[in-house]
Amino acid sequence: SQQGEEDPQALSIQEGENATMNCSYKTSINNLQWYRQNSGRGLVHLILIRSNEREKHSGRLRVTLDTSKKSSSLLITASRAADTASYFCATTIIQGAQKLVFGQGTRLTINP
Amino acid sequence: EPEVTQTPSHQVTQMGQEVILRCVPISNHLYFYWYRQILGQKVEFLVSFYNNEISEKSEIFDDQFSVERPDGSNFTLKIRSTKLEDSAMYFCATEDWTDEKLFFGSGTQLSVL
Repeated sequence: SQQGEEDPQALSIQEGENATMNCSYKTSINNLQWYRQNSGRGLVHLILIRSNEREKHSGRLRVTLDTSKKSSSLLITASRAADTASYFCATTIIQGAQKLVFGQGTRLTINP
Repeated sequence: EPEVTQTPSHQVTQMGQEVILRCVPISNHLYFYWYRQILGQKVEFLVSFYNNEISEKSEIFDDQFSVERPDGSNFTLKIRSTKLEDSAMYFCATEDWTDEKLFFGSGTQLSVL
């Protein structure tokens, strides 16, 4: 089944450092999205990158997409303690329903 | 910013009982979804709903599950006879027709005893 897989499963860094999370998927996609989830809360949309895009920026976030490798990365620059959360990639497939398929997530901890 | 509202935030029920989880979508959104997340695991798609009918459902969404939009505003998920393995956080999500991003509610934590 087409599914995002994040890597690493957990990441712990010092405040101010950059955090990079990766996502791989299996089938052709329309777009790939990144969401953030604070503990016990709903998911919040961060950024969407379409299959014909290679890189996208939003504030301290940078997302890349390599459709040949079926992978994406999310970079958070100059991390803050408030960035501590789980981050999920999600994909919509070509000729599929509108549903998003989520990966396992990366648990990011920013140490002050 | 508009929000998706879910009630209740927590629901404890006995195995075999029926539960109804409620969601108030963002007013101009047309696509509705239910997802669930078992503690510490990934977010799993259950069902999508558009134009008052189910668009797609997953293997999890068996005959014990149903969805409806009873009054044009609320969007509900019903589990007819709950099982222990139904214990999870259930998220409602909505989407408008111009934007492919989902807006999630804060979830209902369902505990089946």
